[in-house]
Amino acid sequence: EAGVAQSPRYKIIEKRQSVAFWCNPISGHATLYWYQQILGQGPKLLIQFQNNGVVDDSQLPKDRFSAERLKGVDSTLKIQPAKLEDSAVYLCASSSLRGLALEQYFGPGTRLTVT
Amino acid sequence: KQEVTQIPAALSVPEGENLVLNCSFTDSAIYNLQWFRQDPGKGLTSLLLIQSSQREQTSGRLNASLDKSSGRSTLYIAASQPGDSATYLCAVRLPGANNLFFGTGTRLTVIP
Repeated sequence: EAGVAQSPRYKIIEKRQSVAFWCNPISGHATLYWYQQILGQGPKLLIQFQNNGVVDDSQLPKDRFSAERLKGVDSTLKIQPAKLEDSAVYLCASSSLRGLALEQYFGPGTRLTVT
Repeated sequence: KQEVTQIPAALSVPEGENLVLNCSFTDSAIYNLQWFRQDPGKGLTSLLLIQSSQREQTSGRLNASLDKSSGRSTLYIAASQPGDSATYLCAVRLPGANNLFFGTGTRLTVIP
């Protein structure tokens, strides 16, 4: 079974520029998550989708961050304009609705550096 | 609000030693708890998942315990190896929610 795919793996941009990240979850997983992990901290949930609907985006800075999951499969996360404090690793995860565990599987992440 | 704490933040041990990593959480009404491993530049790999009704889970040299009433979990690593060097994160899930609340992690270094 293929894992969660993310691209790009690394991105360096200047502040006030825009950037987009892509995630392809495990096939058949209905739930998709985007997490932000700042250096030295644990991941923090930004947004959660179930199929193509948003379940939780309470921690998403909506003035500059946006995300979509068209057709309930792939997802993109966009930052516009970027700030220095957005430097972090952006992790995508997915989980199946089947079973009790609801275990999340993580992609390799995209490391964003804002200069 | 659920807060998850991991102590120590960093740990160095000689190869072959047994070690314990600690995780504590403020709200004991959790659905499950998961331990992850994170290698530099890589995503998270799930190690063990403990449901709230369980007391422990084992996988190879790893054993995770859960004491929900006291808000604590431990990850025991037996006979540590240099390949165990990584950051270990614990995360809890609340009932009715799918997202995870993560601790800040323990960075483990096993010295050959």
